[in-house]
Amino acid sequence: DGGITQSPKYLFRKEGQNVTLSCEQNLNHDAMYWYRQDPGQGLRLIYYSQIVNDFQKGDIAEGYSVSREKKESFPLTVTSAQKNPTAFYLCASSMGQGAANYGYTFGSGTRLTVV
Amino acid sequence: GQNIDQPTEMTATEGAIVQINCTYQTSGFNGLFWYQQHAGEAPTFLSYNVLDGLEEKGRFSSFLSRSKGYSYLLLKELQMKDSASYLCAVADRGSTLGRLYFGRGTQLTVWP
Repeated sequence: DGGITQSPKYLFRKEGQNVTLSCEQNLNHDAMYWYRQDPGQGLRLIYYSQIVNDFQKGDIAEGYSVSREKKESFPLTVTSAQKNPTAFYLCASSMGQGAANYGYTFGSGTRLTVV
Repeated sequence: GQNIDQPTEMTATEGAIVQINCTYQTSGFNGLFWYQQHAGEAPTFLSYNVLDGLEEKGRFSSFLSRSKGYSYLLLKELQMKDSASYLCAVADRGSTLGRLYFGRGTQLTVWP
């Protein structure tokens, strides 16, 4: 079955360390997104990518980096520059630029905790 | 950005009907989505409205009024498993990405 897989489900990071969250999809979707979810807040867009080797900053990109070397993969690195990284991170994909018509398919999320 | 507003919390009893409202302001409306999200899990698609009117899908229905910038999600015959957060999301034609803008979610608690 096609889907989008995030790993790990839980991740602990020491302050000052970089960590990378994995996101893989086999839906043949062109567009991929990273969102951050905090209690009481809506999903906030970190980065997005419409095609391979291209990505754009979202609303809260500071302290994060991404790559899109393959269509299937869109890993997110949370750097030490991110001052408040503890959150639930969601990866999503959509068909082409058609989020407007097709919506998103979401991964199951990664909960990152800084210890 | 877009301005999407929905209630923070709602409660209801099993078997009842509940209506979750969502209002939005956008310059280039191109569709509205409702997602259901259980705690610690991925949001799952419930409905999509792009034209005015009511879309019914089993126990769930979604309504849209573009002129009023208003939508609601109607849940009938509530079950305990319907306890979840319900996210309203708007697509904006003005965005080259066709990205979705999300409200903060409405946490629904269903009591026995």
